[in-house]
Amino acid sequence: DTAVSQTPKYLVTQMGNDKSIKCEQNLGHDTMYWYKQDSKKFLKIMFSYNNKELIINETVPNRFSPKSPDKAHLNLHINSLELGDSAVYFCASSQVAGAPSTDTQYFGPGTRLTVL
Amino acid sequence: RKEVEQDPGPFNVPEGATVAFNCTYSNSASQSFFWYRQDCRKEPKLLMSVYSSGNEDGRFTAQLNRASQYISLLIRDSKLSDSATYLCVATTRVDSSYKLIFGSGTRLLVRP
Repeated sequence: DTAVSQTPKYLVTQMGNDKSIKCEQNLGHDTMYWYKQDSKKFLKIMFSYNNKELIINETVPNRFSPKSPDKAHLNLHINSLELGDSAVYFCASSQVAGAPSTDTQYFGPGTRLTVL
Repeated sequence: RKEVEQDPGPFNVPEGATVAFNCTYSNSASQSFFWYRQDCRKEPKLLMSVYSSGNEDGRFTAQLNRASQYISLLIRDSKLSDSATYLCVATTRVDSSYKLIFGSGTRLLVRP
């Protein structure tokens, strides 16, 4: 069983469209994250949710809106897609939000978004 | 200045070689440090945590120097399967939570 899963794996779309990426974890973790990895391979956190509550919101355009219907799911909706949104988006989860030294983040396989 | 800086490489080494990666971080308040491994077109996976006292896991040794804000990873007896990108990670506290700050990665190619 996949611990952290994302759908779709690949997403190719036109500028201006709205799209969603879904993430699910079956590890029983309380905290979930969205990261963006750009063409230069920098992996940067976008959002973090703990028990459905937003706890980290980096400087991300308002066009990006995360939604956590329950603690096992964290979806990412993107409005009015731009060329610069092309990247790989990784979902991750961890057991606790505040104990990095004893906690491990598990990443999903990534969603490769291409905006044309 | 990037919060976590790494030499991007690539490091091209023969099987059996010893290779060392270095990393520096700018936030002196960072508390925890890790090395993650990322294979081509795959997700990052935790390789090991890094402690001030230094820690070893098989062929891998990680070291942290808080005074110099410097982290290292040593790989002994390199295997072909070690070829990957190695990401240096520092944590930064955010209220009651924390976030991982990733370096851009150091690429390792182990050749036969």
